Amino acid sequence: QSALTQPRSVSGSPGQSVTISCIGSSSDVGGYNYVSWYQQHPGKAPKLMIYDVNKWPSGVPDRFSGSKSGNTASLTISGLQAEDEADYYCCSYAGPFVVFGGGTKLTVL
Amino acid sequence: QLQLQESGPGLVKPSETLSLTCTVSGDSIRTSSHFWAWIRQPPGKGLEWIGSINYGGSTYYRPSLRSRLTISVDTSKDQLSLEVRSVTAADTAVYYCARELWGVSDYWGQGTLVTVSS
Repeated sequence: QSALTQPRSVSGSPGQSVTISCIGSSSDVGGYNYVSWYQQHPGKAPKLMIYDVNKWPSGVPDRFSGSKSGNTASLTISGLQAEDEADYYCCSYAGPFVVFGGGTKLTVL
Repeated sequence: QLQLQESGPGLVKPSETLSLTCTVSGDSIRTSSHFWAWIRQPPGKGLEWIGSINYGGSTYYRPSLRSRLTISVDTSKDQLSLEVRSVTAADTAVYYCARELWGVSDYWGQGTLVTVSS
């Protein structure tokens, strides 16, 4: 049960778009459409931003979007805003277990 | 509104047992179709799924921790519990409880820091 692979950091300027990748395997990302993404600000609990690959929980802006191709999932944030600066974690069901990515720090320049 | 609240000692000695409780309000563990999970985050590091349980007591544990873990549920109190035995400094982390379905954790507690130190 290995952690999913994410880039350690990404950055972008306000108004730009960034994409965070999440590489897994056929046992997790590639095997299920149960990929989720979480945003975590310092000292706070993670917040669900995307679930089931590309669905939005209530209250999450559609600037956040998710996709998946094979064993790789992606989170795209468009129209970057200062408050988007945070750590982002991908997560996948890996029946019956759950596996997280190592996290990506997003810096808004 | 669903809320989860972790509670327990903030300091545990090496080789002893870490015990935490998560109290659920705004939903009933007994009537929910969800699982209830424990997730931890060592200081400065990423999230690590520990395990989960449903109202019927079906449990799934992280394989690398299975031998030291017990997750249980008290449906009469809408509480879930976590025990980690024989702790070391590597078990120092913020521990979160969360409501989970198919690996998606939609509601989280605020987290509680547990430090393993003599």
